[in-house]
Order: sequence, then structure tokens, then C-alpha cells
Amino acid sequence: ETGVTQTPRHLVMGMTNKKSLKCEQHLGHNAMYWYKQSAKKPLELMFVYNFKEQTENNSVPSRFSPECPNSSHLFLHLHTLQPEDSALYLCASSQDYSPVYYEQYFGPGTRLTVT
Amino acid sequence: DQQVKQNSPSLSVQEGRISILNCDYTNSMFDYFLWYKKYPAEGPTFLISISSIKDKNEDGRFTVFLNKSAKHLSLHIVPSQPGDSAVYFCAASSHSGNTPLVFGKGTRLSVIA
Repeated sequence: ETGVTQTPRHLVMGMTNKKSLKCEQHLGHNAMYWYKQSAKKPLELMFVYNFKEQTENNSVPSRFSPECPNSSHLFLHLHTLQPEDSALYLCASSQDYSPVYYEQYFGPGTRLTVT
Repeated sequence: DQQVKQNSPSLSVQEGRISILNCDYTNSMFDYFLWYKKYPAEGPTFLISISSIKDKNEDGRFTVFLNKSAKHLSLHIVPSQPGDSAVYFCAASSHSGNTPLVFGKGTRLSVIA
């Protein structure tokens, strides 16, 4: 595997379920990101981890819980989601956390549907 | 309120002609701008960027123009090819601190053969 991979690619879950999204990067990067893209809305940054430490939390509800066990893996734990949380969730990584100096590489995304 | 706006959700262009995608921003602190390209079922990929010290940056068929006074940038693709059909996102950031990328909603470009 190369680049940034995400699993699963599609997920349907009920509002009472608990599920996790997984992201893995094979680029040797130190920063990892979760973005959300809802229908007809811009890509929104949710969380940033740099060297495994959370550096940004963009006022995300607590029903989304990120975890970064090492620089290569990033998880997004989901519980008691709402239908409006249905969206494409994109993971990205970069060499370091500086959007101006380090290009972000995106995974293909997980299409989440909350029923 | 949206800080980065792409007011055209879609654009159709004939193969071989010029494609012009537009982006406006409101935050005067932004001084670094990027374009990303996204194919279906793939993540966005970086295409080209420009710093506010320049007003033009060119990379092959792709040129980005920046008009700071108008807070406007545009991406020109010449000549357009069917493989350019994708969604194009404009994004902005600032050299001040680690300002996260702020994205527009995207413009879907269709290049017709």
C-alpha cells in the first residue's frame, strides 16, 4: 500500500451504534488530519495531530473522538451520531503541520451514512 | 460565514479550449493559496499554489492568477483535456502561525471531447 489509505470506504450506521474509521499513511509523515465534507459544504478541518499530539480541535462535538496511537495511524471513533453527521470523512497527512510549507496528501475518504 | 468562495458549482468546457475557475476570499490575513483536484472515489490531490508575493504562478497547462486588491484568484487550464474533468477546490492559509487550510465548496469541471 502506498500513500494514505482509509477503511472502510463506505459505512452505514444507526444512531445508537459505535463504529471507528481508520486511516493509515505510508509516507513517513508526522502530521495527520481528519476533514469532513458534507453535501454542498466546503471541506472542514476537524482534528490535527502532529507527532501524535492533538494540535487542533475545530469545535467538533464529543460524539467524534479521535485517536492517534502512532504517526502512521489515525482513528475516528463514532458514537451516537446524528443523521446530519452523514458526510465524506477524509484523512490527510503531511510531513509536518504547516499548511504553507508542507503539502497535505489525502486518502480516498469514508462515505458515512447515519440512519 | 464562508471565507473562501467558489461561486460556480460547475463548468463545462470544450476540449482544447481554456477553462477558468474562480475563487474569492474575504480574510485579508490569507497570503497563501492552493488548488486541489479531486476525481470521484479519490482524495483531493494538490495541483498548484501561489503566495501573495506573486500575482501569477505557472505549471505546465495550469496557471494561477492572484489579484490581492480584489481578493480573487483564478485557475486557468490551457488547453483543457477530458482528463481534467474533476472537482477543483480552492484553499487558503496564512504564513502567520499554522493557520489551517480553509477550503471553498469546489467547482465541478467537465471537459467535453
